[in-house]
Amino acid sequence: AQSVTQPDIHITVSEGASLELRCNYSYGATPYLFWYVQSPGQGLQLLLKYFSGDTLVQGIKGFEAEFKRSQSSFNLRKPSVHWSDAAEYFCAVDMRFGAGTRLTVKP
Amino acid sequence: GAVVSQHPSWVICKSGTSVKIECRSLDFQATTMFWYRQFPKQSLMLMATSNEGSKATYEQGVEKDKFLINHASLTLSTLTVTSAHPEDSSFYICSARDFWGGYNEQFFGPGTRLTVL
Repeated sequence: AQSVTQPDIHITVSEGASLELRCNYSYGATPYLFWYVQSPGQGLQLLLKYFSGDTLVQGIKGFEAEFKRSQSSFNLRKPSVHWSDAAEYFCAVDMRFGAGTRLTVKP
Repeated sequence: GAVVSQHPSWVICKSGTSVKIECRSLDFQATTMFWYRQFPKQSLMLMATSNEGSKATYEQGVEKDKFLINHASLTLSTLTVTSAHPEDSSFYICSARDFWGGYNEQFFGPGTRLTVL
């Protein structure tokens, strides 16, 4: 059965620091992988997706993610976090979502 | 393109009444639609998957008689919460997928907040 694990419930980083949000999945075939962001009171916004091909995926707002089949991971990264990045981040495998990671950005 | 709407955006109802939520794909044909439930500060929980013209497939633990899903056309799916109770209060989100486009990407609606008094 498909499953998605986001091991970090809450992460705090300083503005300007780098960010990595972890996502691990369990899936029988090559998965369709997604990262979404949800700000308070807002809908879901797709940051990036991986279907096949280059394992380093560029997304919107300066985010990128790397698909590592050997580690069953699809971690999200950003080199320099902005205060506006504070939100809830969800990793998804096809239509199933992880528990989410709440990002707090310190000034 | 790829816009999904939901109506209403919020609804308040009395306990025991039924509430219908509509999900529409505005500029594409949605062969598959999904319904999710999200509690405050929690993730999206998949409730059911519906394919146009077929019965919905419900996730384990979701009462199909409580949450009626109809996907009668390629642009419209409805979720009816029957005999709603306060514990049904939640944020309901739909998404739609156009499989024939060759992608497996979902497009999400803005959500409907249901409050049952």
